[in-house]
Amino acid sequence: KAGVTQTPRYLIKTRGQQVTLSCSPISGHRSVSWYQQTPGQGLQFLFEYFSETQRNKGNFPGRFSGRQFSNSRSEMNVSTLELGDSALYLCASSLRSGTVQETQYFGPGTRLLVL
Amino acid sequence: DQQVKQNSPSLSVQEGRISILNCDYTNSMFDYFLWYKKYPAEGPTFLISISSIKDKNEDGRFTVFLNKSAKHLSLHIVPSQPGDSAVYFCAAKGSGAGNMLTFGGGTRLMVKP
Repeated sequence: KAGVTQTPRYLIKTRGQQVTLSCSPISGHRSVSWYQQTPGQGLQFLFEYFSETQRNKGNFPGRFSGRQFSNSRSEMNVSTLELGDSALYLCASSLRSGTVQETQYFGPGTRLLVL
Repeated sequence: DQQVKQNSPSLSVQEGRISILNCDYTNSMFDYFLWYKKYPAEGPTFLISISSIKDKNEDGRFTVFLNKSAKHLSLHIVPSQPGDSAVYFCAAKGSGAGNMLTFGGGTRLMVKP
C-alpha cells in the first residue's frame, strides 16, 4: 500500500504571496490532518478534515486554510505569506476520526521557505 | 502551556544497551499516546502506541510504559542499534478532539557503535 504523499516537496515563495500544498492519504483513509514543524515551536496541529468537513482547528491565524475533496485528498492554503511561515508542513492520514486508538501516518512533508 | 513535555533534548547511548526516553503530560483528558521517530527532512514514522487503559505495550525491541497517576510515559529500546539514532517524539490524543495530536518537543537519540 502506498504511503501518504505530499506535493511539492520543496517550495520557495516571497512574502505576501500565497501557497497551496497537496496531500494524498493512504488508500482508504478518510481523515487528513496537517501539522507545522518549526525549530522554535516544534510540531503543531493546524487542522483535521474528515469526510470533506473540517473537524478540528489549531491555534493558527485565518491565513491558514484547508479543504478536503471527495476522494479524501486534501489541500492547505496559506495566504499573505510571512517570513515566520517558513516551516516543514506535514500531512497525516488515518482511517477514521475520533476513535480512541486511531494512529496517524505521516507523509514526508513539504519544506516551505519564505523569503 | 506545554501539555506534553520531553525534558531531555538529547540522549547518548552505547550500542547494545537500553535507551529510555521519557515524556510527561499535564492534560488528564489524553487517552491515547504514541511515539514517533523522525529523521531530518522526513515525516515522523509511527513506532508504538498505548491506550490509557493499559500500562505497558511491547513491540519487538520497543516497549512503552504508561504511569497514569504520574502522567508519565517512557519508551524503552532494547537493545539499542546505531540505526535507532533519530529524534523521538511522544504525542498524545484526547477524547473529543478528533485526531488532533499534541506533540512533545522531541529527544534526539544518538546510539554509538
